[in-house]
Amino acid sequence: SAVISQKPSRDICQRGTSLTIQCQVDSQVTMMFWYRQQPGQSLTLIATANQGSEATYESGFVIDKFPISRPNLTFSTLTVSNMSPEDSSIYLCSVLSGLNTEAFFGQGTRLTVV
Amino acid sequence: QKEVEQNSGPLSVPEGAIASLNCTYSDRGSQSFFWYRQYSGKSPELIMSIYSNGDKEDGRFTAQLNKASQYVSLLIRDSQPSDSATYLCAVYNLEGAQKLVFGQGTRLTINP
Repeated sequence: SAVISQKPSRDICQRGTSLTIQCQVDSQVTMMFWYRQQPGQSLTLIATANQGSEATYESGFVIDKFPISRPNLTFSTLTVSNMSPEDSSIYLCSVLSGLNTEAFFGQGTRLTVV
Repeated sequence: QKEVEQNSGPLSVPEGAIASLNCTYSDRGSQSFFWYRQYSGKSPELIMSIYSNGDKEDGRFTAQLNKASQYVSLLIRDSQPSDSATYLCAVYNLEGAQKLVFGQGTRLTINP
């Protein structure tokens, strides 16, 4: 399985500011995803991070709010822009492993917006 | 109908008993199915994957898949207090999309 390093692990941010979360994988992977997990809830897919092209966003998520970069096959960033308290959540990076399509997760970023 | 549906629980099982977790999914064409365990404050951890009809056993865990009924389950034998966690069912390639969709999770508590 891939080793995924995600940082920061947690942060407390002021409303109106932006936070960029980084995800580094120890091997090249085709599929990388960003999820959000609100308190007491399951995982909701934000977008698929595509290498060399714009991310594919799920319904309810837009690029202006959650810009994503994927400069190569081992790295991606998610920015949470113009934050409000409603953005307080855990954000998770995930990669798919090979043909088995098993997904593995980073440690998550616990974001609190005050 | 939700794409991937689980009973949110909580499910309480005595130590040593069998815990049974269930999941249904909406797309008959889905091919890959997974169970993740998530401890409070931690990220999800893959515990079982299953791709064909029938049972798949790994230690105390057994995954069961019935594609005709669009149903996947997870059995945990000889439940231990350390099994207390939220269990997430996930389906890949739901309706042809190359993404993993999660159910809402079932919170399981094993009582000593």
